[in-house]
Amino acid sequence: ETGVTQTPRHLVMGMTNKKSLKCEQHLGHNAMYWYKQSAKKPLELMFVYSLEERVENNSVPSRFSPECPNSSHLFLHLHTLQPEDSALYLCASSQFRDSNSPLHFGNGTRLTVT
Amino acid sequence: TQLLEQSPQFLSIQEGENLTVYCNSSSVFSSLQWYRQEPGEGPVLLVTVVTGGEVKKLKRLTFQFGDARKDSSLHITAAQPGDTGLYLCAGARNNNDMRFGAGTRLTVKP
Repeated sequence: ETGVTQTPRHLVMGMTNKKSLKCEQHLGHNAMYWYKQSAKKPLELMFVYSLEERVENNSVPSRFSPECPNSSHLFLHLHTLQPEDSALYLCASSQFRDSNSPLHFGNGTRLTVT
Repeated sequence: TQLLEQSPQFLSIQEGENLTVYCNSSSVFSSLQWYRQEPGEGPVLLVTVVTGGEVKKLKRLTFQFGDARKDSSLHITAAQPGDTGLYLCAGARNNNDMRFGAGTRLTVKP
């Protein structure tokens, strides 16, 4: 079983829907991340949470709203998305403030916006 | 312009061949990581290099960090179909600023 679990694996939603992505880590890490992976583009860092506080928000549109209730859980709430938001959304965890600490990724949620 | 440029973007080879993929930047990194991502899965760490000029070996994979800590290469000897995947490099500039390249998609044909 992977140390980082994401649900759902696949999600199809209309532009007016509201949905949430869930991530859970079992590694005892103190930082969690949301990345967006689109075809032929680098992974884009969306949000970073350390000790449940948001420490980075890379100019992500407000239709994406993160929530980190504790160090093991991370959510991404989605509302009125656009077709160009279709992508693989990856959650990761690590030990914050340790530049050599690798990112441990979940298997992602494949999102399709219709 | 991407911070980390990976080349080639795509590579298709026969089983048993050798290959090298590159990760280049004009920025200096405190460390650089290589990940492999297989279809339907998230990226998995292969190696972290920290010291300029460092060489690390992982079975048939050899990773090198440039002397100036701006670039890196991954060499695979006698590639196997199981090596197929997307190879991503990621550079750390400070404690939580990890930037990724777009990746090299490798296909090894039996």
